Amino acid sequence: GAGVSQSPRYKVTKRGQDVALRCDPISGHVSLYWYRQALGQGPEFLTYFNYEAQQDKSGLPNDRFSAERPEGSISTLTIQRTEQRDSAMYRCASSWGQGANTGELFFGEGSRLTVL
Amino acid sequence: AQRVTQPEKLLSVFKGAPVELKCNYSYSGSPELFWYVQYSRQRLQLLLRHISRESIKGFTADLNKGETSFHLKKPFAQEEDSAMYYCALTRKTSSGSARQLTFGSGTQLTVLP
Repeated sequence: GAGVSQSPRYKVTKRGQDVALRCDPISGHVSLYWYRQALGQGPEFLTYFNYEAQQDKSGLPNDRFSAERPEGSISTLTIQRTEQRDSAMYRCASSWGQGANTGELFFGEGSRLTVL
Repeated sequence: AQRVTQPEKLLSVFKGAPVELKCNYSYSGSPELFWYVQYSRQRLQLLLRHISRESIKGFTADLNKGETSFHLKKPFAQEEDSAMYYCALTRKTSSGSARQLTFGSGTQLTVLP
């Protein structure tokens, strides 16, 4: 595809519901990252994959948050029992893998989550 | 812990004036720093990286390890430079192989006509 694709672009949900956010990275990109961005703040790291392996999930705020990338391509970030404080823009990014990684991340348009 | 500080949330300059967006960092190792930019209705994208010592769209940034700064500069601002600018620092993961970024909170630059 032309770039990193995220869906849905906008999601409004009620507190307590589960949400799943999808990311389709650039074809051939080994690394995939999830970031969360609150209003007025910069993107904050959540988790990262190399191929299908979740290499670092230290940024996930609690156990309601999980992510997977089962076939090393598309990734899903799932938030269970959503709370109002989960409202944010969720950004996915991908990059060339280790060895060819210049530090440049290619970002999607983001998924804006609003929890009522 | 790694930290990136952008002290100005908003910055306005007139077209043709010089502009400087400030970035300070704290990092215990040898840092690699970047500037990312998000234009209106566009994706967040890389503007420049310090290791390349490049000038992109007239912007330059010099890493000053003594002052732990990486300020972004342009001698003559243009209206199309209006955007949100984020300074970012690499941070290695526990596996030692990743290049995830720690971002500052951003500076919204407005170039007035």
